[in-house]
Formats: sequence, structure tokens, C-alpha cells
Amino acid sequence: DTAVSQTPKYLVTQMGNDKSIKCEQNLGHDTMYWYKQDSKKFLKIMFSYNNKELIINETVPNRFSPKSPDKAHLNLHINSLELGDSAVYFCASSQDTGSTIYFGEGSWLTVV
Amino acid sequence: DAKTTQPTSMDCAEGRAANLPCNHSTISGNEYVYWYRQIHSQGPQYIIHGLKNNETNEMASLIITEDRKSSTLILPHATLRDTAVYYCIVRVAGSGGSNYKLTFGKGTLLTVNP
Repeated sequence: DTAVSQTPKYLVTQMGNDKSIKCEQNLGHDTMYWYKQDSKKFLKIMFSYNNKELIINETVPNRFSPKSPDKAHLNLHINSLELGDSAVYFCASSQDTGSTIYFGEGSWLTVV
Repeated sequence: DAKTTQPTSMDCAEGRAANLPCNHSTISGNEYVYWYRQIHSQGPQYIIHGLKNNETNEMASLIITEDRKSSTLILPHATLRDTAVYYCIVRVAGSGGSNYKLTFGKGTLLTVNP
């Protein structure tokens, strides 16, 4: 059983489209995250939710909108996709904001 | 704005111990040292973390100097599957608030050679 699972794993889409990446964790964790890894391989946090409340928003364009319907899910919706949004997006979770963070396997987004 | 310094790359022979250093000279008393690794095309994988004392688990050992300004991750018997980028991260201990995120640096590319 995958602890933190993301779908889709690969996504190729055209500029201007709107797309979503879904994330689910079966660990019973309260805190979930989205990280972005760009072409230069830097991993940067985008958002964090704790008990469905947004606690970290790292100056991400408002075209990116996370949604947490419940503690086990944190979806990432991206509007008006741009070429620069091409990256690998990692979902992660932890028991609480100070506990060890566990990552999913990533979603490869390519905008053409 | 990672607060750690690691060598860009290291090589290790298969079956030998891999010792990965990390400097964190500005670490605060309430910050843990975390180690993650990222194998090519996979998500970051948690390895180990510690505050002051040395730590060991089934994957690795973590040696933290007494002044806590540096640490070493030890993979006792490296295998080809240990080839990955290893990240040393300092992170505030405790819970609550927004100051407990993981900030990744560039890490060390460890290549285990046959």
C-alpha cells in the first residue's frame, strides 16, 4: 500500500489549460504539503495544510489553488498553465507540522 | 536559503561505508538535523534525524558533533541502489505554526560504484 499517492504520475498539457493533481495519504496524518521540483532539481515548498487549514503559502502565483476536502486529501489545481509550470510536483504528509515528512512519488507535469 | 553546506558529489565503492558530511554552523538549539535522499525519478525518502545524540536505524547512522555544527550520515555497506542525491536539512523541532517546513538545498550526489 502506497502511503502517499498522487495521480496522475505523468501529465502533458497545452498552455492555457487548467489541470488538477490529486493526492491522498493513508497514514492518518494531519498535515499535508505540496512541493515543486524544477528543471534545476531544486525542491521548494509551495503549500502546507494542517487539519484542512492553509498554514504555509510560499508566494505561489494565485493560478495555483490547493484544496483539502478532508485531512487525507490535498489536491492541487492549476489554472491557465504556463510553460514555466513544467516541473515535478510532490505531495507529502506528516503526523503534525513538526513531525517527519513523507513524500509521494511525484507528478511529472509538462506544459507544451 | 538552506542552512546547510554539503559537498556537491561523492563516490563510494559498493560494499564500503559511505560517509556523507554536512556543515550546519548556524544551527539553533531547537533545530533537528534531518537527512533525506532522492533516487532518480523518485520522491524524497526520509532516512534519519537527530537533535544532539547519535542516531541509528535500519538504513543509516547519524553522527552529530558535540557542538552540533556538523554531522555525518553513514551508510554502513553501500549498494548500487544507494546511488542518490542526499539532502541534509535543519528543521525547527516541535509542532504548530508555519516554521517547521523542510528547506532543501542542493544536496550531495552519492554515486556507488561496482
